[in-house]
Amino acid sequence: AQTVTQSQPEMSVQEAETVTLSCTYDTSENNYYLFWYKQPPSRQMILVIRQEAYKQQNATENRFSVNFQKAAKSFSLKISDSQLGDTAMYFCAFHNFGNEKLTFGTGTRLTIIP
Amino acid sequence: GAVVSQHPSWVICKSGTSVKIECRSLDFQATTMFWYRQFPKQSLMLMATSNEGSKATYEQGVEKDKFLINHASLTLSTLTVTSAHPEDSSFYICSARVGLARGEQYFGPGTRLTVT
Repeated sequence: AQTVTQSQPEMSVQEAETVTLSCTYDTSENNYYLFWYKQPPSRQMILVIRQEAYKQQNATENRFSVNFQKAAKSFSLKISDSQLGDTAMYFCAFHNFGNEKLTFGTGTRLTIIP
Repeated sequence: GAVVSQHPSWVICKSGTSVKIECRSLDFQATTMFWYRQFPKQSLMLMATSNEGSKATYEQGVEKDKFLINHASLTLSTLTVTSAHPEDSSFYICSARVGLARGEQYFGPGTRLTVT
C-alpha cells in the first residue's frame, strides 16, 4: 500500500518570502501521479499542481513549483513570493495508475504573516 | 472547467433522522465520484467510491447501511446519512475524477453536518 508523509505539521513565513513544503511517499509502483492540493479556511480543496512520475521535468504553475526526486521518493512544493492568500492547509497526494483512489498526506498548515 | 458542487453546504438535523447530501459535476460527466469525511485539523478520509450505475465500494470500517451512496447519473451522486447520531457530525466532501488518464480529482465545497 502507498503511504504519503508530510513531516511539517505547521509552517509560517513572512509575506513575499519563499517557502518549501516537504512530502515523501512510499510505493513499489513505477507509474503514478503526485499532486499538491490547497485547502484554505473556506475548506474548498483546490488543485495546486500535478506531476507525472514518468516526466523528469519538474512541474511549475506560476509561483508554485515542485522538486520531484523519484529515486528518493520526494515531492516538495515551493511557493515563491508568498501571498496572504496562500494561507491554507496543503495536502500532498498520490495516485497510482489503475487505482481510482488518492492517498493523502496528513497536511501542512501554512500561515503567511503580513 | 471541472466544477463540482455540493448541496447543502451546512445542515443541522436531529438525532435519529436521515439527511441527504448531493454532489454534482457541473461541466463534465463523472463516471466515478468519491466521498470523504474530514475531522477538524485532519486529512481527508475516503469513505467510498461511487461509480455511475453500480453499487458503491466502501472503505474498510465504513458502515454501508448507515452511509447510503447512490450514483444514478453521470453528474449526480448522493450520500444519505441514515439514523444520524451526534458522532456522525463532521465535514463531508465529495470529489469527481475527470478522466482515468489524468488521475486528479476535483472537489466540491463540502457539507458541514451537525447532528443534535
